[in-house]
Amino acid sequence: QQQVKQSPQSLIVQKGGISIINCAYENTAFDYFPWYQQFPGKGPALLIAIRPDVSEKKEGRFTISFNKSAKQFSLHIMDSQPGDSATYFCAASEGGSYIPTFGRGTSLIVHP
Amino acid sequence: DGGITQSPKYLFRKEGQNVTLSCEQNLNHDAMYWYRQDPGQGLRLIYYSQIVNDFQKGDIAEGYSVSREKKESFPLTVTSAQKNPTAFYLCASTEGGVRGSYEQYFGPGTRLTVT
Repeated sequence: QQQVKQSPQSLIVQKGGISIINCAYENTAFDYFPWYQQFPGKGPALLIAIRPDVSEKKEGRFTISFNKSAKQFSLHIMDSQPGDSATYFCAASEGGSYIPTFGRGTSLIVHP
Repeated sequence: DGGITQSPKYLFRKEGQNVTLSCEQNLNHDAMYWYRQDPGQGLRLIYYSQIVNDFQKGDIAEGYSVSREKKESFPLTVTSAQKNPTAFYLCASTEGGVRGSYEQYFGPGTRLTVT
């Protein structure tokens, strides 16, 4: 049973465009929603994270939008750059649990 | 510099041999994890440990074993019972404890190839 569904599986955008990756969850006890970025042959690294008490969080060109009623959250990458080409994972954790549930990942390619 | 080290980066083994992957962290984190990554499968949890001398099975523990004798070390053994061991293995840690950060710190990974 996949508790966090991530889409699309792959995404190709042009330099300067907006990349959007979506995640949906079912467990209403989740209260921490991070996004991780992974470059080929490397380990993932935290990119940005949000708690359900806010609907949006922005860090530079990266924004998380969170819709608690729809149980969805998304990552927006503005002015996408070739250096953003990587695999992106969403995740969710319950309060008090340090065991995250990961989405299956989105492979993003940004063409120059 | 604080972080997680995994060794070796590439590992080749013959089928039927056990192999141990190393994971060390100097972040003073309580919780440590092992994940397996296959193309299109995301990150699947093998084992995790929230405290020294204690660990729990994750979603795909069959054919794997771990130990947590020291806070900073969490080695993973891939046994001959693991039917399809070729994969990219990632170790991670989290601050854990009471009111610790949920952020997972990942190592650089070990790519295991079994032939």
